[in-house]
Amino acid sequence: SQTIHQWPATLVQPVGSPLSLECTVEGTSNPNLYWYRQAAGRGLQLLFYSVGIGQISSEVPQNLSASRPQDRQFILSSKKLLLSDSGFYLCAWSAGQGGNQPQHFGDGTRLSIL
Amino acid sequence: QKEVEQNSGPLSVPEGAIASLNCTYSDRGSQSFFWYRQYSGKSPELIMSIYSNGDKEDGRFTAQLNKASQYVSLLIRDSQPSDSATYLCAVNYGLGGRRALTFGSGTRLQVQP
Repeated sequence: SQTIHQWPATLVQPVGSPLSLECTVEGTSNPNLYWYRQAAGRGLQLLFYSVGIGQISSEVPQNLSASRPQDRQFILSSKKLLLSDSGFYLCAWSAGQGGNQPQHFGDGTRLSIL
Repeated sequence: QKEVEQNSGPLSVPEGAIASLNCTYSDRGSQSFFWYRQYSGKSPELIMSIYSNGDKEDGRFTAQLNKASQYVSLLIRDSQPSDSATYLCAVNYGLGGRRALTFGSGTRLQVQP
């Protein structure tokens, strides 16, 4: 069966510091991968998605970036965090065939910026 | 802009009652529809998928889809306090393109014991 791992679970960072969040998927090949952010009490905001290695689409311009160095690895980065970057970051995957497959989420990273 | 609309709630129902959660979407080309449950502080969990007009039942859950009205709903029978959560409706736009889901902002359900 497929599993998705996301770490760390909780992170506290000062303003201006860098960020790296990692997500890996097991048990499937060529998945679609996604990064979402959820502010407290709000809906899911799609940040990036990827249909293959090195292929990244950005949905919202901001100081974050994403990379996919391997088929089942997705990384979210920032060079300099802002206070507004606080939130619950979720990685998700879906099967690569077609566009009608559900997404499955990791456990998320709760990021607090001080 | 492609949108998914949900009433934010809270929707409060007594234990054992039927909870009815509704969602409307803006794009007639939508092909697939999903309901997720999100407990406070946790990540969303897929509970139902529906692709064709009509009803789809899975245990206490029934998803209903009406493409002509651009409306999808989730019924929870015999509601339990453990069903108290935020329910997210998600719609995949397009015809097989590898795109992400668009999520509604969610309806918070409270089941009163």
